[in-house]
Amino acid sequence: KNEVEQSPQNLTAQEGEFITINCSYSVGISALHWLQQHPGGGIVSLFMLSSGKKKHGRLIATINIQEKHSSLHITASHPRDSAVYICAVANTDKLIFGTGTRLQVFP
Amino acid sequence: GAGVSQSPSNKVTEKGKDVELRCDPISGHTALYWYRQSLGQGLEFLIYFQGNSAPDKSGLPSDRFSAERTGGSVSTLTIQRTQQEDSAVYLCASSVGLAGGAYEQYFGPGTRLTVT
Repeated sequence: KNEVEQSPQNLTAQEGEFITINCSYSVGISALHWLQQHPGGGIVSLFMLSSGKKKHGRLIATINIQEKHSSLHITASHPRDSAVYICAVANTDKLIFGTGTRLQVFP
Repeated sequence: GAGVSQSPSNKVTEKGKDVELRCDPISGHTALYWYRQSLGQGLEFLIYFQGNSAPDKSGLPSDRFSAERTGGSVSTLTIQRTQQEDSAVYLCASSVGLAGGAYEQYFGPGTRLTVT
């Protein structure tokens, strides 16, 4: 079993839909990261959180430390949100990555 | 200021040759990480540096892989006697501190290595 599990693996949505991507982990962590990787390959850090909730524009990330679970929400999705979303946890001094969720948003 | 840069952006090499991949971190970032992403796979940790020291080399796939960092800045990942299974995108990231301290990592654009 992977230490970081994401679901779903693939997600298709219509523009405007509310999207949720889930991440569960089985190890102790100091922080959880949500990353975005566009088709060109570049990786951008969206959020880093240790507790509670963070919001940036249409993106919201939450974490429940007791349940070892985090969610990434996208409100009013747009085709430009199409990308791979990666959950990563900081365990000791390195990141352990989930396998990613491929999101496609159609107009 | 400039972000993390990596060179070359693409490298095609013949099996058995040695390759060097370079990473220039953001100025002042003491932590530097190397990751690998094989086609269709997730990101895989290779090695990290705190300053010029590499406390954890556990992610290096074999003794053909080595890395160094000089002056607390530029890092080089060297792969000797490349094999086809080494084909992947090699990503570098830098941060003001180590992941355990909950610091954001900034990723470079990667080097796509193809071993023929």
